[in-house]
Amino acid sequence: DIQMTQSASPLSASVGDRVIITCRASQSVRRYLNWYQQKPGKAPKLLIYAASTLQSGVPSRFSGSGSGTEFTLTISSLQPEDFATYYCQQSYSTPLTFGGGTKVEIQ
Amino acid sequence: QEQLVESGGDLVKPGGSLRLSCAGSGFVFSDYYMSWFRQAPGERLEWLAYIGGSGSSIYYRESVKGRFTISRDNSGNSLSLQMNSLREEDTAVYYCARGPDIVTETTANMDVWGQGTTVTVSS
Repeated sequence: DIQMTQSASPLSASVGDRVIITCRASQSVRRYLNWYQQKPGKAPKLLIYAASTLQSGVPSRFSGSGSGTEFTLTISSLQPEDFATYYCQQSYSTPLTFGGGTKVEIQ
Repeated sequence: QEQLVESGGDLVKPGGSLRLSCAGSGFVFSDYYMSWFRQAPGERLEWLAYIGGSGSSIYYRESVKGRFTISRDNSGNSLSLQMNSLREEDTAVYYCARGPDIVTETTANMDVWGQGTTVTVSS
């Protein structure tokens, strides 16, 4: 199984901050890497797919980069509605696997 | 509006069975791979199974193979997960989702999710 490891959680930040969340795969997943946002009691929401493509309707302050084993999700200017848990997920091989999540909380 | 709605979650005893359903609307259901996921309290999301649009391609994670069965009814726009021999560690919120089609990087994602249904396995 491909293991997905995310940067430390929780991540404390303030409104307006630039936030970078990292994700590392235990082997190359090429660009089969997606990012999701999840709020308490809610379903995940797709933010970024294929490592860097913004899902329709997602604000442009979200961006993704990387390929192979190293990926980042960047929020350019944190907004109040962005406080949530973020997961990376690989679809390169089954079983599909998720990172442990990075909770972005108010500093 | 593209939507998925799960149902069927319940409290069940260890060793029992449960069938979850997921109703799709707002899109051509048969055009899409569909998946089941779960999330135990405080844990990461876990993929369980996915099924191709025609139902001919099916994949499971090892820990549920032989106990869980994914199926679909395209005429009724519905997805199901039959769960047998349930264990306490199967306790979780279960989600259905649209996708992934892993043929390409741009389609290998889950872009529509249901709201989740809760399964509790306890004596």
